[in-house]
Amino acid sequence: NAGVMQNPRHLVRRRGQEARLRCSPMKGHSHVYWYRQLPEEGLKFMVYLQKENIIDESGMPKERFSAEFPKEGPSILRIQQVVRGDSAAYFCASSSGPNQPQHFGDGTRLSIL
Amino acid sequence: EDQVTQSPEALRLQEGESSSLNCSYTVSGLRGLFWYRQDPGKGPEFLFTLYSAGEEKEKERLKATLTKKESFLHITAPKPEDSATYLCAVQAQGSQGNLIFGKGTKLSVKP
Repeated sequence: NAGVMQNPRHLVRRRGQEARLRCSPMKGHSHVYWYRQLPEEGLKFMVYLQKENIIDESGMPKERFSAEFPKEGPSILRIQQVVRGDSAAYFCASSSGPNQPQHFGDGTRLSIL
Repeated sequence: EDQVTQSPEALRLQEGESSSLNCSYTVSGLRGLFWYRQDPGKGPEFLFTLYSAGEEKEKERLKATLTKKESFLHITAPKPEDSATYLCAVQAQGSQGNLIFGKGTKLSVKP
């Protein structure tokens, strides 16, 4: 499967714990985007990364959230000290360029107890 | 503020009953408009990109059109397997690549 791979598909955390979400882009894609989808809400942009660089993080909460896309390995979205309001589906997308169609993974559904 | 509004929120059709979904957008210069299909528990699946008013794209029973203020997704003779949520997104001029999504139209096609 050459599509965007996200893991885990489901993640359960207790309040105060850390959540790490992983995303491997499609083969040949070096642009990665993270979006969050709350129930009954549309997808909301969080951050856009290229290898080793954050290009646009205008949608990221100022605290507790961080993202990286290292030279080797998947992109990571990290949420520290999770709260109930962080419960959502987090989707990763990749593209071959900034103006090219973005292709999405099947998401990580994060539940906070 | 850039925004995307989709209508209707939900649409029920009989198999073979053609219809259209609407996506109205307000953006400071359009770089591109994107249509996606999303099935329950899955990520959005890319369908079309439209870049300029008057442009049209087709794929099987789906046809997307674009004007300066809105886009339509026309579904001709739908089948039950076309049931899904259809999402519209825009990319604004000057954006770094992020998409602004509408809330989607949930389409149900009954046999």
